[in-house]
Amino acid sequence: ETGVTQTPRHLVMGMTNKKSLKCEQHLGHNAMYWYKQSAKKPLELMFVYNFKEQTENNSVPSRFSPECPNSSHLFLHLHTLQPEDSALYLCASSQDTEYGYTFGSGTRLTVV
Amino acid sequence: KQEVTQIPAALSVPEGENLVLNCSFTDSAIYNLQWFRQDPGKGLTSLLLIQSSQREQTSGRLNASLDKSSGRSTLYIAASQPGDSATYLCAVRVNTGNQFYFGTGTSLTVIP
Repeated sequence: ETGVTQTPRHLVMGMTNKKSLKCEQHLGHNAMYWYKQSAKKPLELMFVYNFKEQTENNSVPSRFSPECPNSSHLFLHLHTLQPEDSALYLCASSQDTEYGYTFGSGTRLTVV
Repeated sequence: KQEVTQIPAALSVPEGENLVLNCSFTDSAIYNLQWFRQDPGKGLTSLLLIQSSQREQTSGRLNASLDKSSGRSTLYIAASQPGDSATYLCAVRVNTGNQFYFGTGTSLTVIP
């Protein structure tokens, strides 16, 4: 395990469902991130949390709602998604800016 | 906005060959650069992190170099093995903010 754990690994949901993705890091890092990875496209940053405070929101649709209750846990709440939201959702963490990212294994989301 | 380009998009080599993957970025005001490996459907595994003040980093058969002034980094893989087959991603952290900008990756296949 990389120290960043994501659950579930796979998720299939209908467009009217509500679900949540979970990320947990055991590294003592102070920043956590959500990225979206679609086929043939670079990773897209969605949200950044620094010391539990959201510092960036890259014009993400409101059907994606992040939550960071503490510095070790990060959630991504999903509702009324579209088929084009199907992708690999990756969580990462880092300690300050001197160090790199540690990624989780991702959640493969399919919206039907 | 920082743009990161990786060439080639795909590469196929026979086992045992030495190879170089390329990464270029448009804004030289970077904080650090990180190389990752991604296996199909999986998360990203960190390979090497180079700070902006460094010229190169080495780990086993991997060597990453950084030339900030020209906006380039290379990842050298010595004596390639079939287990090296994966997509290799380059990511650049800019001096402001907490975000890494990713390239689209190079898909490497090492043929036994």
